[in-house]
Formats: sequence, C-alpha cells, structure tokens
Amino acid sequence: EAGVTQFPSHSVIEKGQTVTLRCDPISGHDNLYWYRRVMGKEIKFLLHFVKESKQDESGMPNNRFLAERTGGTYSTLKVQPAELEDSGVYFCASSPHTTGAYGYTFGSGTRLTVV
Amino acid sequence: AQRVTQPEKLLSVFKGAPVELKCNYSYSGSPELFWYVQYSRQRLQLLLRHISRESIKGFTADLNKGETSFHLKKPFAQEEDSAMYYCAPRKGGSGGSNYKLTFGKGTLLTVNP
Repeated sequence: EAGVTQFPSHSVIEKGQTVTLRCDPISGHDNLYWYRRVMGKEIKFLLHFVKESKQDESGMPNNRFLAERTGGTYSTLKVQPAELEDSGVYFCASSPHTTGAYGYTFGSGTRLTVV
Repeated sequence: AQRVTQPEKLLSVFKGAPVELKCNYSYSGSPELFWYVQYSRQRLQLLLRHISRESIKGFTADLNKGETSFHLKKPFAQEEDSAMYYCAPRKGGSGGSNYKLTFGKGTLLTVNP
C-alpha cells in the first residue's frame, strides 16, 4: 500500500507570503494528524482530523494557520502570511483506528524555510 | 502538565554493547507509550508500543508505572541501530484530545564499529 505522502518536500518562501502544504494519508485512514518540528525544538502536535472534521486543533499556533480536509481524504495546511518562526519540518501522519493505539504512519515531512 | 523527558540528547556505544535509552513521563491516568525511530534520510516510524509488549529489532521497552518510565533497551547494539529515537506518550482511551502524541526531544544513538 502507498504510504503517507506529503507535498512539497521542501519549500522556501519569503516572509509574508503564503504557503500550502498537502498531505495524502493512507487510503482508508480516517485519522489524519499534523505535527511540526521547529528548529531545535521537539516535535509538536498541531491538529487531528477524523474524516473531514477537526477532532482536536489545540496545537495550532495562531490564526495564520488553516488546515482543511475536504471530503475526508487529503489535507492541506496553509500558512498565511508566513513568518520567520514558522520555519521547520511539518509532518503529517495517519492511522486507521479511532484510538490510535496502533500508532501512526508518518509522511516524510515538508521542510519549510521562511526567509 | 503532561511531560515526557528523554535526558540524553546523544548516546554513543560500541557495536555489541548493551544500550538503554531513557524515557520518563508525567501523565495522569493510564497513558499509552510509544517509541518512534527516525533513521538517516528516512521518515519517522513506529518502533514499539507498550500495549503489545513486543520485541522489535531486538529492542524492548517495559512500562514502569511506579517510576513513570518507559526505557528502551537492547542487549547487543548493531551499527544499523544508529538513529534518532523518540519516546511519545499519549493519554489513552478514546475521544477528544486523547489521540495526540507528545514527543520527547529525542536521543541520537550512534553505534560505533
């Protein structure tokens, strides 16, 4: 089966611009998660979708970040406008089980650099 | 507050030596514990789940509720074990915010020949 796919793998944008990251979960996985690792810090949770609904968005840093999962398939994470502190690696993960007890499958991440 | 601590940022051992990567957590209730690993130029992947009490690639991890620890151990390290290891608990159970993982800062394990 295809794994979790993220696009693009790298993105370099200027401060103030908009960037949209995409995640394609494993087919049939209802649960989709976004995490990020800012330079020098630990991997932090951003939000969790169950199908197209936001189950938990407690980790979203501010209203410059907008996540969507229309139709309950792929998800996008838009940063608008981007700031320097948004630089980091953004990970997407998916899981088939409601409790997540079997762990997630992660994508390879999108490295975002804001200059 | 929910916390996870991996006290060693770097750990270096020789091939064939035992290795233990420490993880301590502070969680209310009955959390579920995971170890994730990221090999060089590969994606983050699940290594172990405490609920399955399994051994993967020779690694084991025992949940010690008294010491709130979930240390990862391997009796004989191999060079291919060199990677970044993350301890990641979650609340456990279903609903609400119980599914999200809290990652430790990670331990970079280097196994020397």
